[in-house]
Amino acid sequence: GAVVSQHPSWVICKSGTSVKIECRSLDFQATTMFWYRQFPKQSLMLMATSNEGSKATYEQGVEKDKFLINHASLTLSTLTVTSAHPEDSSFYICSPRGGYTFGSGTRLTVV
Amino acid sequence: AQKITQTQPGMFVQEKEAVTLDCTYDTSDPSYGLFWYKQPSSGEMIFLIYQGSYDQQNATEGRYSLNFQKARKSANLVISASQLGDSAMYFCAMRSPGGGTSYGKLTFGQGTILTVHP
Repeated sequence: GAVVSQHPSWVICKSGTSVKIECRSLDFQATTMFWYRQFPKQSLMLMATSNEGSKATYEQGVEKDKFLINHASLTLSTLTVTSAHPEDSSFYICSPRGGYTFGSGTRLTVV
Repeated sequence: AQKITQTQPGMFVQEKEAVTLDCTYDTSDPSYGLFWYKQPSSGEMIFLIYQGSYDQQNATEGRYSLNFQKARKSANLVISASQLGDSAMYFCAMRSPGGGTSYGKLTFGQGTILTVHP
């Protein structure tokens, strides 16, 4: 149980464009989804927490206007990187409450 | 604030031997959860083992065991009979305690790259 489907697995986009990453809970209802970012050869750092039906909460230093999070239903949470820049290139991964399961991750490259 | 420390950037082990990956933590909460994950080059995070702060016995899952020493605030992962497929990055993490929207939030250590030699 507790399967999370994350798409896309990888994406290359041009600087200045926006990219949307989706995480779907396939066999359970996720009221909360945690979004982590991992730069190469580094650890995972929590960016933000999405909660179904309410505003997301962001960690210190994460720009909420740049990383838009939407949790419109109990099975879908999305992260949109707006006006992407090369320094946003990273591995983004979602995980519902609990810590036992993760999405497969999205490798974003901004050129 | 919670903190997780992994002091071994890299570890090497011979196939079929056991290896211990170190993890120390710091928290003021009496209730917490400790996790170990494996991250292969593909990037996926694979859950290996969990230890609750109130668990009396060390957790075991197949070839994985967690050496939990609460007084020392350590939660080392022991992998027995290493296999070539065990080569990966390993992360120790702490889960925030229950209550409130932060429950389930994970704080990760820096990671340890394990290389298994044939």
